[in-house]
Amino acid sequence: KAGVTQTPRYLIKTRGQQVTLSCSPISGHRSVSWYQQTPGQGLQFLFEYFSETQRNKGNFPGRFSGRQFSNSRSEMNVSTLELGDSALYLCASSNDGGLNTEAFFGQGTRLTVV
Amino acid sequence: GEDVEQSLFLSVREGDSSVINCTYTDSSSTYLYWYKQEPGAGLQLLTYIFSNMDMKQDQRLTVLLNKKDKHLSLRIADTQTGDSAIYFCAEGLSGGYNKLIFGAGTRLAVHP
Repeated sequence: KAGVTQTPRYLIKTRGQQVTLSCSPISGHRSVSWYQQTPGQGLQFLFEYFSETQRNKGNFPGRFSGRQFSNSRSEMNVSTLELGDSALYLCASSNDGGLNTEAFFGQGTRLTVV
Repeated sequence: GEDVEQSLFLSVREGDSSVINCTYTDSSSTYLYWYKQEPGAGLQLLTYIFSNMDMKQDQRLTVLLNKKDKHLSLRIADTQTGDSAIYFCAEGLSGGYNKLIFGAGTRLAVHP
């Protein structure tokens, strides 16, 4: 079956703009998590959605937001972009059984803010 | 607190075994994971171990868990050049709703 699909793969935005990234999980998976990966901070958890509800949130400013649709696809939005938002954004898909289980990652969206 | 630590670099000769180590701090971990990342790619799930297990073997991969010392290791037998990548250890916390805490990653270099 198809894996986790993230679009777009690459994005260049200007400081102050906003951006929306998309993640389609593995068919049947209802949990989608988002992570930011940077050389300085490594992989950091942004938030997790399950059945259209945000269940957990990392330590990021309110400029970072997300949502999940009824088909489990998820989007994350970053408003008022800063240079430091340049990163690889990864989403992970899980067949949530109430406990941590296997999380499968997409290829990521590489965002460059100039 | 939540913290996962790994050594940053490991160099091995092709055909030898590689052992990548990881320590974590949160005793409420339910699952512990190993992911592989190749240049320009996302994270590939290699294997995981439930916190009540001591060992898990999957082909060339062996995971050892010492829960008392909060120490996890990944052994790759017969390491090949294709194994060159960054390896991340991650812990999943009880009640964490699929939130994973990652280490900084260990860069494995395999040389002939």
